[in-house]
Amino acid sequence: GQQLNQSPQSMFIQEGEDVSMNCTSSSIFNTWLWYKQDPGEGPVLLIALYKAGELTSNGRLTAQFGITRKDSFLNISASIPSDVGIYFCAGPNAGNNRKLIWGLGTSLAVNP
Amino acid sequence: DARVTQTPRHKVTEMGQEVTMRCQPILGHNTVFWYRQTMMQGLELLAYFRNRAPLDDSGMPKDRFSAEMPDATLATLKIQPSEPRDSAVYFCASGLVLGGLAGAWSGANVLTFGAGSRLTVL
Repeated sequence: GQQLNQSPQSMFIQEGEDVSMNCTSSSIFNTWLWYKQDPGEGPVLLIALYKAGELTSNGRLTAQFGITRKDSFLNISASIPSDVGIYFCAGPNAGNNRKLIWGLGTSLAVNP
Repeated sequence: DARVTQTPRHKVTEMGQEVTMRCQPILGHNTVFWYRQTMMQGLELLAYFRNRAPLDDSGMPKDRFSAEMPDATLATLKIQPSEPRDSAVYFCASGLVLGGLAGAWSGANVLTFGAGSRLTVL
């Protein structure tokens, strides 16, 4: 079945550094969603991408929908301590568009 | 801000006991999802409802889990009897999902998650 592979699994960075993470699949996705989960909370949508090649920003976050439609990237610039959390990518299941496939997440720790 | 409310936030129980988790979706949302999150499996979809009707519960162990939506303001997930392997965080999410199953995602198809119910079965 469809799977989403996220890398890296975890990151430990210094405050102020830029962060890059990605999500890949052997299947084509028509939508890519990036969520962030703060400790003790549910995931919150950061960015949604609907078109191949699309580059979308949300503050210090920028995400891109890969041109092959099999990958997506999320970048965080000038990280701050509140960026700590788990970042998930997700995309609609090809067989049932209402069910999302989720990656296992990238855990980010930021040293102040 | 509108939010999805889940209760209880934490539950510790003994194996064999019944557990009921509740969710109040955002008013006006027509679709409710139940997810389970564990370190090993990540986020797994257990069941989802559209306009209160169960559309898919294939991710749920049928022998012990049941999900219902008695009215538009309440969704429940019940485990009876509970087992240690059920220990996880259970999330409810709601959304206004437009179009049929094959419809394209749009900005409207955004899920809002509750804060989760952390279940520990001893």
